[in-house]
Amino acid sequence: RKEVEQDPGPFNVPEGATVAFNCTYSNSASQSFFWYRQDCRKEPKLLMSVYSSGNEDGRFTAQLNRASQYISLLIRDSKLSDSATYLCVVNNPNTGNQFYFGTGTSLTVIP
Amino acid sequence: NAGVTQTPKFQVLKTGQSMTLQCAQDMNHNSMYWYRQDPGMGLRLIYYSASEGTTDKGEVPNGYNVSRLNKREFSLRLESAAPSQTSVYFCASSHREGNEQFFGPGTRLTVL
Repeated sequence: RKEVEQDPGPFNVPEGATVAFNCTYSNSASQSFFWYRQDCRKEPKLLMSVYSSGNEDGRFTAQLNRASQYISLLIRDSKLSDSATYLCVVNNPNTGNQFYFGTGTSLTVIP
Repeated sequence: NAGVTQTPKFQVLKTGQSMTLQCAQDMNHNSMYWYRQDPGMGLRLIYYSASEGTTDKGEVPNGYNVSRLNKREFSLRLESAAPSQTSVYFCASSHREGNEQFFGPGTRLTVL
């Protein structure tokens, strides 16, 4: 079983829409969770960390469900500039705290 | 602050050639990492250095070696390149293990 799994999409949504991505992880001992954004042919950039109580940063909301071992990212009022691939990242404390990256979910926001 | 820098940006090698990818960070981070990214596979950890003076294997270390030259610099060496090593290589750093990682712009390597 993969450490981290994401629906690859693509998600094609109109401007202003709300879109949500989910990501499941396999190791119940994981403690660190992040969402990264990656534009085409660029490096991944940290979008936000995911905290146990859930957290919000402007139009972006991240949530963690430890019981079901998934994290989610909600984007409200989508902008054209949100078009990118979103990577779910989870640590594994059993392997020296290595990070495991999902394969990414592709989002295109359409005018 | 340049953040994380990598050289070269692009490289083409023939099978059996060797090369070293360079990475440097100016954020005074303790931990540094090398990943490769292949289509449909996500980023996979090759080697990492939790702190200056230590290095450890990641998920896909075969065919690579690393050197943590000092706190700022972490290099990745391919001793005898193979076509299977064609990939995009990213270096990253973090304040310490488990913290958010910051990535360099990547090196696109093609092995013919």
